[in-house]
Amino acid sequence: QVQMRETGPGLVQTTQTLSVTCTVFGFSLTSYGVHWVRQAPGKGLEWMGIIWGDGSTNYNSALKSRLSISRDTSKSQVFLTMNSLQTDDTAVYYCARLRTPYWGQGVMVTVSS
Amino acid sequence: EIVLTQSPTTMAASPGEKVTLTCLASSSVNYIYWFQQKSSASPKLLIYYTSNLASGVPDRFSGSGSGTSYSLTIRSMEAEDAAIYYCLQLTSTPYTFGTGTKLELK
Repeated sequence: QVQMRETGPGLVQTTQTLSVTCTVFGFSLTSYGVHWVRQAPGKGLEWMGIIWGDGSTNYNSALKSRLSISRDTSKSQVFLTMNSLQTDDTAVYYCARLRTPYWGQGVMVTVSS
Repeated sequence: EIVLTQSPTTMAASPGEKVTLTCLASSSVNYIYWFQQKSSASPKLLIYYTSNLASGVPDRFSGSGSGTSYSLTIRSMEAEDAAIYYCLQLTSTPYTFGTGTKLELK
């Protein structure tokens, strides 16, 4: 049974670095790409990036300079790291396999000074 | 980057009414995905590869289109269809979501 579960800090200070983990169950990270999507309060969905089954990555152009996606296949975990946080990075962060119905429940991250 | 513009931004439909939502791409895409999101829940996949119904999705939903113009149709509006709908292109990176359409029950 496929599941995806995000865990994160909840609250992060401005200028600091965000780290969110996506733990997956029921499939191998070497076989499927995992996307990160975020949604600011009251706003639409924003595609952030993907780590492919071969470990390569693609990123949203606007976030590319601050964003890194990596993984540990032995732990079935995908990591989102984003630096230089500002208050407009406050959002729910989701991991997902976008070509399928599988999304995590999302984790709310608030960036505050 | 391919920009997806959805219209209308907001609309209201009565029970039983036919609803059509549009997604226009700034450049041609091979296919579109459609998602439904209610309140603060995770988005739910409705349509994949433009016109294929995801598992468990009622057959009153359908998708069509090609090139730069795509649509999602609800054959007969039901109360549970009130939600926000997003299109998504996975043709070329960076991938992009549409601006969203909020569908309300009249």
